[in-house]
Amino acid sequence: GQNIDQPTEMTATEGAIVQINCTYQTSGFNGLFWYQQHAGEAPTFLSYNVLDGLEEKGRFSSFLSRSKGYSYLLLKELQMKDSASYLCAVMDSNYQLIWGAGTKLIIKP
Amino acid sequence: SQTIHQWPATLVQPVGSPLSLECTVEGTSNPNLYWYRQAAGRGLQLLFYSVGIGQISSEVPQNLSASRPQDRQFILSSKKLLLSDSGFYLCAWSVKADQETQYFGPGTRLLVL
Repeated sequence: GQNIDQPTEMTATEGAIVQINCTYQTSGFNGLFWYQQHAGEAPTFLSYNVLDGLEEKGRFSSFLSRSKGYSYLLLKELQMKDSASYLCAVMDSNYQLIWGAGTKLIIKP
Repeated sequence: SQTIHQWPATLVQPVGSPLSLECTVEGTSNPNLYWYRQAAGRGLQLLFYSVGIGQISSEVPQNLSASRPQDRQFILSSKKLLLSDSGFYLCAWSVKADQETQYFGPGTRLLVL
């Protein structure tokens, strides 16, 4: 079967760095997405990786290793507004998105 | 730029009543359209997707149905709601291309009592 694993919850301190991991087992691979979802709101697109390596976008970076079935989202200089759930999703060989359950990130002052 | 609308934002319905949720997309043509449900504290469950007018694929058996009467309109319906239909319903769109990033509407929070 297809499976996406990410930690249920993480806690970090304002101003620090946090890494949210995602491992996947899917039927084929056509890219990995990270989304941010604030409580009660819709997910918003953060990043897309299809090749191995690190993609940087301001304070957020996303890394992919296809051979290991592994990705992480790195958030730097954490702000209180970064408190949200972070969803990892993989596009399989049928171009269907397989979603992880999300990681709830709690930022403490 | 593209925008996606969903309504209503919240809905409280009795068990056994019908349902109609609407989603429209502006600023793009022939998008892929999706309906998801998210239970409290859970991940996204794909319910239906559509690659064109009148073309609907169902991912899970349920008492819900979807229709796409126009290119940028996607409707989620039920004839008789169940308690288990409560949740956060999200519509999304994507452009038919290699990356196919999905962009979400604001969602409808449905409570069935």
